[in-house]
Amino acid sequence: GESVGLHLPTLSVQEGDNSIINCAYSNSASDYFIWYKQESGKGPQFIIDIRSNMDKRQGQRVTVLLNKTVKHLSLQIAATQPGDSAVYFCAENRNTGNQFYFGTGTSLTVIP
Amino acid sequence: NAGVTQTPKFQVLKTGQSMTLQCAQDMNHNSMYWYRQDPGMGLRLIYYSASEGTTDKGEVPNGYNVSRLNKREFSLRLESAAPSQTSVYFCASSVQDRGYEQYFGPGTRLTVT
Repeated sequence: GESVGLHLPTLSVQEGDNSIINCAYSNSASDYFIWYKQESGKGPQFIIDIRSNMDKRQGQRVTVLLNKTVKHLSLQIAATQPGDSAVYFCAENRNTGNQFYFGTGTSLTVIP
Repeated sequence: NAGVTQTPKFQVLKTGQSMTLQCAQDMNHNSMYWYRQDPGMGLRLIYYSASEGTTDKGEVPNGYNVSRLNKREFSLRLESAAPSQTSVYFCASSVQDRGYEQYFGPGTRLTVT
């Protein structure tokens, strides 16, 4: 999984640029993945999901890529906007059991 | 359609006090969850209820108990609060317990002094 610690990885991008947020998951048996967005003082909000039988899935301005060989997940945000500033988490659902395991998150700051 | 609601929003407890965090969902979901979120860390599962009438331990259950009161409501109880339980607590629900997105409430910020 992602590194555990008190300091979140951070990413700063200019408004209008594309953002790429990465996540390394830990369990090769995981078969369902979600990206969540969490704004300050709020609960996580679903962005997009992908199942392990897919490599790529697109939503509105977002794309998730899954590389099962290296256990890596990425979230691409096109034409990043100030409203995209938040902490982004990936979560993996392992096929042995019912739990989701969350990464520590990446803090995205969009510079106007 | 309010989604997932939690009460209270904020709470301060002294060590040894007890309290119950309330959660309700109006989406007719079968599964409900309690997580805690500490600074710089991802969410960690405390307990979950795959369906009405069942509850199971998650990653960090010690010091907590839960009750699935009915399909809508899932409460989290701290019997004797400790400073290590200072955290933000999130309730979530999903259609089923595997392979479905979870919808989160706004959170309860708990401080234990």
